[in-house]
Amino acid sequence: QKEVEQNSGPLSVPEGAIASLNCTYSDRGSQSFFWYRQYSGKSPELIMSIYSNGDKEDGRFTAQLNKASQYVSLLIRDSQPSDSATYLCAVKGDYKLSFGAGTTVTVRA
Amino acid sequence: DAEITQSPRHKITETGRQVTLACHQTWNHNNMFWYRQDLGHGLRLIHYSYGVHDTNKGEVSDGYSVSRSNTEDLPLTLESAASSQTSVYFCASSGFVGNGETQYFGPGTRLLVL
Repeated sequence: QKEVEQNSGPLSVPEGAIASLNCTYSDRGSQSFFWYRQYSGKSPELIMSIYSNGDKEDGRFTAQLNKASQYVSLLIRDSQPSDSATYLCAVKGDYKLSFGAGTTVTVRA
Repeated sequence: DAEITQSPRHKITETGRQVTLACHQTWNHNNMFWYRQDLGHGLRLIHYSYGVHDTNKGEVSDGYSVSRSNTEDLPLTLESAASSQTSVYFCASSGFVGNGETQYFGPGTRLLVL
């Protein structure tokens, strides 16, 4: 079992819709969770971090964390073409950050 | 502004050659990391360092080495390059922002081993 698993995608959504990205993790002791956005040919860029159960909103992005279910998600509201990218879920364990393989999102105009 | 730089940005080398990828950060972060990214595998940790003279192996460290002689730099060396090491390499450093430790990534180095 991989440490961090994401829905494989690709995910295609119309402009203005909500994109929903899911991530599960295996280390029950994990305390820190991150979503990175990576444009093609570029480096990962942090867009959200979440540390406690519940929702955290930042602009059009909402991260949701459920530690009991070992599940973290990212919602992108009012999706824009500029949101087209690969989204990486990352989970902080004892000493390292473990990444999922990423979900590619395409927002179609 | 603080940043992380990597050099070279692109490199072509031959099997068996030694290659060193440079990483330099001006964040004054103690923690630095090297990852490789391959299609279907996501980001995998090669080596990491928690401070000067500290180095640790990650999940895919075979064939790679690092050294940390100062806070700013963590060069990655491929001792004898292999075609399986063709990849995109990212350096990262981390510091505390708000409630937790956050990693910031360099622009990456694309390495092709022929």
